[in-house]
Amino acid sequence: EAGVAQSPRYKIIEKRQSVAFWCNPISGHATLYWYQQILGQGPKLLIQFQNNGVVDDSQLPKDRFSAERLKGVDSTLKIQPAKLEDSAVYLCASSLEPPPSLSYEQYFGPGTRLTVT
Amino acid sequence: RKEVEQDPGPFNVPEGATVAFNCTYSNSASQSFFWYRQDCRKEPKLLMSVYSSGNEDGRFTAQLNRASQYISLLIRDSKLSDSATYLCVVNLDRGSTLGRLYFGRGTQLTVWP
Repeated sequence: EAGVAQSPRYKIIEKRQSVAFWCNPISGHATLYWYQQILGQGPKLLIQFQNNGVVDDSQLPKDRFSAERLKGVDSTLKIQPAKLEDSAVYLCASSLEPPPSLSYEQYFGPGTRLTVT
Repeated sequence: RKEVEQDPGPFNVPEGATVAFNCTYSNSASQSFFWYRQDCRKEPKLLMSVYSSGNEDGRFTAQLNRASQYISLLIRDSKLSDSATYLCVVNLDRGSTLGRLYFGRGTQLTVWP
C-alpha cells in the first residue's frame, strides 16, 4: 500500500517569499492533517480536513498560511509571505477515521523541510 | 501549561538495558493515548496505543494512570535499533467536534553497543 506522498522534500526560500507544499494521502483516507514540526519539538497541528471540509484550523496563522483540499483528496499548504520562524518540517498525515475512533491511526508523509533565510 | 509534557532526555543506555519514559498530560478530558516513534530526520510512526489496563507488545510496555494523568513507556532488553525519539501523544475529545492529537516534544533515546 502506498504511503502518504509529499513534495517537495526540501525547500529554501528567502523571507517574504511564497511557498507551497503538496500532499497526497493514502487512498481512501478521509481525514488529512498538516503539522508543523520545529526542531526539537513535537508536531503541532495546523489544520485538519474531513473530506474536503475544514474541521479544525484554530492553530493556523491565517494571515500568512492557507490550505485547501479540493475534491477531498490532495491538499496544498501555502505560506505567503514567509518569515524566518516558519523554518520547520511540514508534515502531512492521513487517517482512515478521525479520532477518537478506537481503530484510529495517523500515517505521516516524509515531510517537507523548509528553510527561510 | 503545555497539554503534553515529556522529559526530552537524552537517554543514553547500553544494549540490553531497561529504560522507561514518562509523560504527563494536562487535560483530564483526554480520551486516547499513544506512543509514536520518530527516527532522525524521518516522519513519526505509531509505536503503540495505550489502553487503560496497560498493554504490552514484545519488549514494549505502556501504562496509563488516569488519576495522575500520567503515561509511561517501558522498553526492555534495549536494541541498537531502538535509538529514536519517542513521542507521547494524547487525543483530546472536544465534544461534538473531532478530536485533536497533541504531541509531546519527544524523548530522545540512544542505545550504545
